[in-house]
Amino acid sequence: GQNIDQPTEMTATEGAIVQINCTYQTSGFNGLFWYQQHAGEAPTFLSYNVLDGLEEKGRFSSFLSRSKGYSYLLLKELQMKDSASYLCAGGDNTDKLIFGTGTRLQVFP
Amino acid sequence: DTAVSQTPKYLVTQMGNDKSIKCEQNLGHDTMYWYKQDSKKFLKIMFSYNNKELIINETVPNRFSPKSPDKAHLNLHINSLELGDSAVYFCASSQPGTRADTQYFGPGTRLTVL
Repeated sequence: GQNIDQPTEMTATEGAIVQINCTYQTSGFNGLFWYQQHAGEAPTFLSYNVLDGLEEKGRFSSFLSRSKGYSYLLLKELQMKDSASYLCAGGDNTDKLIFGTGTRLQVFP
Repeated sequence: DTAVSQTPKYLVTQMGNDKSIKCEQNLGHDTMYWYKQDSKKFLKIMFSYNNKELIINETVPNRFSPKSPDKAHLNLHINSLELGDSAVYFCASSQPGTRADTQYFGPGTRLTVL
């Protein structure tokens, strides 16, 4: 079956580093995506991994291990505005994105 | 200069009514999608169209009928609305062949069925 698992909620302090993990199982594999969704808003694209390894983009990095069916999103130097839900999504072989339930991150001062 | 737009943003209606949500994208993308996000924030694909042709149709009641008059528009018509249809509906678009179809989402339509 197709499945994406990620923690439901996480909390962290401003200025800290947080890692949000995701395990996936999809029919075929067409990349692993991370989206950010602020409350009441649309998901916005953060990162895409199709090869193993780390992709860095400013304060955000995303890692993929295809053999382990595992990804994480790393957020550094956390800011209050990073409080949002972070959605892990796997692309399958039918151009479909399978989304996880999202991880709600709360950043405290 | 909005990339993916949806109307209306909010829709409140009675059970049994028929309603439509419209979506337009000006990104020149070939593929458009409809997603449903329920109260638990789970985002689930409903339909996907590529160049006006249906390519993904998940297990969705046939009360839901998408229509794509051209590749820039994908509308969603819902007949005989039920309480369980209350959710946020997101339209999205992507261009095949570009970074495995990174999808760009519209602002969402919050549907409340009373």
